Amino acid sequence: RKEVEQDPGPFNVPEGATVAFNCTYSNSASQSFFWYRQDCRKEPKLLMSVYSSGNEDGRFTAQLNRASQYISLLIRDSKLSDSATYLCVVNTRSGNTGKLIFGQGTTLQVKP
Amino acid sequence: NAGVTQTPKFQVLKTGQSMTLQCAQDMNHNSMYWYRQDPGMGLRLIYYSASEGTTDKGEVPNGYNVSRLNKREFSLRLESAAPSQTSVYFCASSRLGQGRNEQYFGPGTRLTVT
Repeated sequence: RKEVEQDPGPFNVPEGATVAFNCTYSNSASQSFFWYRQDCRKEPKLLMSVYSSGNEDGRFTAQLNRASQYISLLIRDSKLSDSATYLCVVNTRSGNTGKLIFGQGTTLQVKP
Repeated sequence: NAGVTQTPKFQVLKTGQSMTLQCAQDMNHNSMYWYRQDPGMGLRLIYYSASEGTTDKGEVPNGYNVSRLNKREFSLRLESAAPSQTSVYFCASSRLGQGRNEQYFGPGTRLTVT
């Protein structure tokens, strides 16, 4: 079983739609969680950290469910510019270091 | 503030050649990382340096060596390149602490080994 699993998609949605991605992780000792965005042939960029209480940043809402070991990302009012691959990332601490485990990504295509 | 920079952006090597990928960060981060990204595989950690003076193996270290030259710079060396090392290489840095590890990535190096 992969440590971090995501549905690769692609998710094809019209502009203005609401879309949700889920991600599951296997290590119950994981400490922190993130969503990164990666555009084609570019580096991953931090979209948002995910907190236990859930957090919102504009049109983006992230939720964490530690009991079920899953993380979600909700995008409201999708824009064409939201088209990208969204990476679910889990931080598993090992001693004094932290290792990020990346999911393979979910591809979103927003169409006019 | 350039963030994380990497050189070169593109490189073509023949099998058996060697090269060093350079990475530098200006965010005063203590930790630095090297990843490779292949289609269908996601990002995989090659080596990391939790702090200046330390380096450790990641998930896929074979065929690579690293040097943490100082707090700012972390280089990745391929001693004898193989076609299986054709990939996109990303360097990242973070300020580890309090269980958090937000990493910031450089623009990547696209390496082709023929």
